[in-house]
Amino acid sequence: DAGVTQSPTHLIKTRGQQVTLRCSPKSGHDTVSWYQQALGQGPQFIFQYYEEEERQRGNFPDRFSGHQFPNYSSELNVNALLLGDSALYLCASSGGTGFGTEAFFGQGTRLTVV
Amino acid sequence: AQTVTQSQPEMSVQEAETVTLSCTYDTSESNYYLFWYKQPPSRQMILVIRQEAYKQQNATENRFSVNFQKAAKSFSLKISDSQLGDTAMYFCAFISIQGAQKLVFGQGTRLTINP
Repeated sequence: DAGVTQSPTHLIKTRGQQVTLRCSPKSGHDTVSWYQQALGQGPQFIFQYYEEEERQRGNFPDRFSGHQFPNYSSELNVNALLLGDSALYLCASSGGTGFGTEAFFGQGTRLTVV
Repeated sequence: AQTVTQSQPEMSVQEAETVTLSCTYDTSESNYYLFWYKQPPSRQMILVIRQEAYKQQNATENRFSVNFQKAAKSFSLKISDSQLGDTAMYFCAFISIQGAQKLVFGQGTRLTINP
């Protein structure tokens, strides 16, 4: 079992550009959540996808959008990048209802905006 | 809204010692889950231990145990016989049974185990 895989591992973008991050959940998991972790901080919830729909959303602007595919993989898109978007983006997968069950995390994508 | 607070930004102990990491949280709910996650330099979050709020018995996983004080909204992690591989960032996290199904994390504690 490959666990949760994220790509790419590192990314450098220029202000104003758009970026797409990808996540493949652990086998058997149907729920994907995205978190933003600024340097030296705890992760902050961006949104969660289940059955190809956004089920929950954190306090992030509309520049952050996502998608879940029929195979449960997911993408996180960020438009009009700002310097403050530089962070580690973590994807977590879980089964079914999610809460209480273990969320498995990927190794993250380190995004640097210059 | 729920909040999680870790008041120890950094801790350092000698190998084989016991160390306790503190966590407090704020919620008006009575049923929820609490977690401790470990994040080594590899960046991947790894679940260390989980506690269900409606269970009075403190969770234990090998060298890791928690002291869950529901009334005080306190959830500390004790690591016994610490090992060099325990060096990592440790995050306390909360998830509600109701409403938003999202993990709410604390700011983290950087734990260093010295040889």
